[in-house]
Amino acid sequence: AQSVTQLDSQVPVFEEAPVELRCNYSSSVSVYLFWYVQYPNQGLQLLLKYLSGSTLVESINGFEAEFNKSQTSFHLRKPSVHISDTAEYFCAVSLLQGAQKLVFGQGTRLTINP
Amino acid sequence: DVKVTQSSRYLVKRTGEKVFLECVQDMDHENMFWYRQDPGLGLRLIYFSYDVKMKEKGDIPEGYSVSREKKERFSLILESASTNQTSMYLCASSPHRGLVTEAFFGQGTRLTVV
Repeated sequence: AQSVTQLDSQVPVFEEAPVELRCNYSSSVSVYLFWYVQYPNQGLQLLLKYLSGSTLVESINGFEAEFNKSQTSFHLRKPSVHISDTAEYFCAVSLLQGAQKLVFGQGTRLTINP
Repeated sequence: DVKVTQSSRYLVKRTGEKVFLECVQDMDHENMFWYRQDPGLGLRLIYFSYDVKMKEKGDIPEGYSVSREKKERFSLILESASTNQTSMYLCASSPHRGLVTEAFFGQGTRLTVV
């Protein structure tokens, strides 16, 4: 069965500093990879996804993630964060074979300090 | 835009009550999912469905059942609510049977069982 590990439950950073949120997965078959964001009192929104092609994917608000197959990782990065990036971030995988479901990590709470 | 609508944002129920959580999607998606979200545990899959009248157990189905009588509607049922079912419940849908290339989430229902 597949699993997803987000290595940090909380990440505090200062505004305009860079940030990396780490995600590792385990699967015996190929996967699709996702990052979702949850702002306070809201549902989950897709931030970015890797399905195929370039291993570096970007979002419209400056986040990027790189699929590293050898290290089974999909870390999320942003070179300069803003107060409005304060949210909880979830990494997820789905399998290209087998059960049609999305499996999530435990979440990382990103707190931006002024 | 895809819309996934959950019937209630907040619910308070008594121990032993039968509870229905309703979810409707408006984009003719094949797959629908129910997750519960708890701090530090991320999102855990309760049940999913890839067709009308079809259902598959997720990772934590105990104490829950589901119903999918129409393609657009997926109901989660707590047969006899207990305090350990106090949680945030999230419904999601995805378009293609067989693969999850993206999932769209509702706003969530925060259920408190007293």
